[in-house]
Amino acid sequence: EDQVTQSPEALRLQEGESSSLNCSYTVSGLRGLFWYRQDPGKGPEFLFTLYSAGEEKEKERLKATLTKKESFLHITAPKPEDSATYLCAVQAGSSGSRLTFGEGTQLTVNP
Amino acid sequence: GAVVSQHPSRVICKSGTSVKIECRSLDFQATTMFWYRQFPKKSLMLMATSNEGSKATYEQGVEKDKFLINHASLTLSTLTVTSAHPEDSSFYICSARYTSGGAGYTDTQYFGPGTRLTVL
Repeated sequence: EDQVTQSPEALRLQEGESSSLNCSYTVSGLRGLFWYRQDPGKGPEFLFTLYSAGEEKEKERLKATLTKKESFLHITAPKPEDSATYLCAVQAGSSGSRLTFGEGTQLTVNP
Repeated sequence: GAVVSQHPSRVICKSGTSVKIECRSLDFQATTMFWYRQFPKKSLMLMATSNEGSKATYEQGVEKDKFLINHASLTLSTLTVTSAHPEDSSFYICSARYTSGGAGYTDTQYFGPGTRLTVL
């Protein structure tokens, strides 16, 4: 069974304090790993897709990396508007196009 | 690009009535759409996979007669909650699968803004 574990559950940072969120996964044949951002009362917003170990993608203050067992979402010099829940999901070869989500990391960035 | 809309964004209904939620892919065609349910402070729970022109595939434990899904076109899927009860109150979110091949291969789900259902 595919499993996704995100840590920490919650993270509080001061504005400008860089950190990383972790997503560990166990899947049978990874087809893709996805990062989404979700604000309260809204649907998830797509951030990145990573397809193979060693791949990295960046967008503004965010950088996602992938290994064979985990992915990291690095946040550099965060701002209060980066506060949100960050969700990680995997798409496995055995599950077609279905995504398996982790429980998310709730990030709060204080000014 | 890759915008998905949902309607309505919020609905309040009486117990025993049915509610229909629409999910549209606005700028791409989606042969596959998904319906999720999300409880407070929890992650997304997949309810069903909706394929254009065929029957939906429901996850284990989801009542197909209660949550009717129709995917009649490449840009529209609907979820009807039949005979709704207070325990059906939740945040329902749809997603649409966007794929492209070649050098810029991608297979990504784009999500709608969600529908808050409250059953009194």
